[in-house]
Amino acid sequence: EIVLTQSPATLSLSPGERATLSCRASQSLSRDLAWFQQKPGQAPRLLIYDSSSRATGIPARFSGSGTGTDFTLTISSLEPEDFAIYYCQQRSDWPPRYSFGQGTKVEIK
Amino acid sequence: QLQLQESGPRLVKPSETLSLTCTVSGGSISSANYYWGWIRQTPGKGLEWIGSMYYAESTYYNPSLKGRVTLSVDTSKNQLYLKLRSVTAADTAVYFCARHFLIKYFDLWGRGTPVTVSS
Repeated sequence: EIVLTQSPATLSLSPGERATLSCRASQSLSRDLAWFQQKPGQAPRLLIYDSSSRATGIPARFSGSGTGTDFTLTISSLEPEDFAIYYCQQRSDWPPRYSFGQGTKVEIK
Repeated sequence: QLQLQESGPRLVKPSETLSLTCTVSGGSISSANYYWGWIRQTPGKGLEWIGSMYYAESTYYNPSLKGRVTLSVDTSKNQLYLKLRSVTAADTAVYFCARHFLIKYFDLWGRGTPVTVSS
């Protein structure tokens, strides 16, 4: 089973600052990693897939990078609506298994 | 625009079967391009994949659920179904249905439905 470890658990930043979130996989994923944003009472929202591709309608301030076991989600300049919890997610090839990281909370400093 | 909506009992007794329905609107559930999954979320374990259905024929389940789960579909009703047997308090969670994207990811989610297991 592939385990995803996110860091830090909490990131305290001010609007306008840059956020850098990390996701580390216990085995190589190539580039098969996604990032989600979740706000209270809502379902997760797909932000990034295949490590660096933005999903439909996602603002350009969200970017992803990484390959293998180390991945990064960057929010270039935090907007008030960006304060939320962020999760990474992967799929193991065969048999198909999906797993999520434990999340990073981006909170207002 | 495709939308997903989960429904079902919010309270289930221990040892009984949790049964949820996901109704898909705005598109056909039987489209060859769509795969479907169920995910649950708890404060303790976070987001946990339950299982997925590919082309309404192949199903894959999280082995941690130890064979207690069954996914099915009724294309005439545009609905997906989740059954989780022999539930315990550990199955208390918010349950989401979701559409797969590129098989590897989930791009469209229902709003989720909370289920509590308690006597």
